[in-house]
Amino acid sequence: DSGVTQTPKHLITATGQRVTLRCSPRSGDLSVYWYQQSLDQGLQFLIQYYNGEERAKGNILERFSAQQFPDLHSELNLSSLELGDSALYFCASSVEGGPTDTQYFGPGTRLTVL
Amino acid sequence: GQQVMQIPQYQHVQEGEDFTTYCNSSTTLSNIQWYKQRPGGHPVFLIQLVKSGEVKKQKRLTFQFGEAKKNSSLHITATQTTDVGTYFCAGCRTSGTYKYIFGTGTRLKVLA
Repeated sequence: DSGVTQTPKHLITATGQRVTLRCSPRSGDLSVYWYQQSLDQGLQFLIQYYNGEERAKGNILERFSAQQFPDLHSELNLSSLELGDSALYFCASSVEGGPTDTQYFGPGTRLTVL
Repeated sequence: GQQVMQIPQYQHVQEGEDFTTYCNSSTTLSNIQWYKQRPGGHPVFLIQLVKSGEVKKQKRLTFQFGEAKKNSSLHITATQTTDVGTYFCAGCRTSGTYKYIFGTGTRLKVLA
């Protein structure tokens, strides 16, 4: 158990819909990262937050948005969902969000778009 | 853009055989991390390499960072069934803001 929690575990929805994925970082961690892992694929970095502010952006689509709240939990919003958005979405956290930080991954949310 | 490639994509070995995965970046990295993801699980941090030419060992696992800091390798000696999973390298490049680019991963199957 990494100490990072993600809800829900599974999400099934239809094309065109909007969903919100939630992540709570490990106690004491200030930085949160979001990743997308499609079937048999690697991890695609989406976005990183540090203490409520966006720190780095990866290959995040315009239909996707995220934020980190004052209590440090984070939400990833996915809208106008397409079949290709079906994937495992991981959240990770680290202490300071620096380049040598260890990232601790949550169990992931499996999104299925029908 | 920056890419991090891993080879091989898949590897099946007999238990007791050695295994190596290679990670290559198109750009110089400031450091590299290795993660292991068991089937159905989430990535778990294994190790970090920072210095050029650095070699680190964890029991049967040996990690190397290339002299030019553009490639890395993970070698497992005498694989066991518990080594099954996908191994990812994650390269970090710092120029302004940094971000980690994960490699494509090597999926290891160990046959008993």
